[in-house]
Amino acid sequence: EAGVVQSPRYKIIEKKQPVAFWCNPISGHNTLYWYRQNLGQGPELLIRYENEEAVDDSQLPKDRFSAERLKGVDSTLKIQPAELGDSAVYLCASSSDRVHGYTFGSGTRLTVV
Amino acid sequence: AQKVTQAQTEISVVEKEDVTLDCVYETRDTTYYLFWYKQPPSGELVFLIRRNSFDEQNEISGRYSWNFQKSTSSFNFTITASQVVDSAVYFCALSEPSGTYKYIFGTGTRLKVLA
Repeated sequence: EAGVVQSPRYKIIEKKQPVAFWCNPISGHNTLYWYRQNLGQGPELLIRYENEEAVDDSQLPKDRFSAERLKGVDSTLKIQPAELGDSAVYLCASSSDRVHGYTFGSGTRLTVV
Repeated sequence: AQKVTQAQTEISVVEKEDVTLDCVYETRDTTYYLFWYKQPPSGELVFLIRRNSFDEQNEISGRYSWNFQKSTSSFNFTITASQVVDSAVYFCALSEPSGTYKYIFGTGTRLKVLA
């Protein structure tokens, strides 16, 4: 089966510009997560979806970050405007059972210059 | 507070050596899950193992083995006869079913296996 697909793989933007990341989870996985991984660190959760509902977005910086999951399948994470400190890898993951281990995508490496 | 500590930032070994990656966790929950993930240079996180807090049996999968000890809050990972392809960053993570189902990751251990 296809894994979690993310695009783009890499993105370089100037600060104050908007950027969007896209994630297509594994078919049938109801739970979708966005994580941010800073250089040399472990991933940290930004938002979790159950189907199309955001059930945990407490870690999402809502002043500039937004996310949506239309029809409970694909998801988009947006940053507007981007800041230098947003440079990181943004990982999407999905699961059908919360305790069996997520399947992660390859991530989008964002560089803000 | 929940926390995962991977004290080893980077380890270098010569191929065919055994290597153990340490993971110490903190949690107030009695039911929890522990995971190990591998992150190769390509960037994706590859699931290796899940262990729940009620199952302290050690597990072996090929050259990989895991030692879970609740008494010391540790979940260590050993690679036997390491290979160059094992070179990656390895993350230990903690998930709590009673919470938000988010994973708390350690900072990772970078393993370099030299030919």
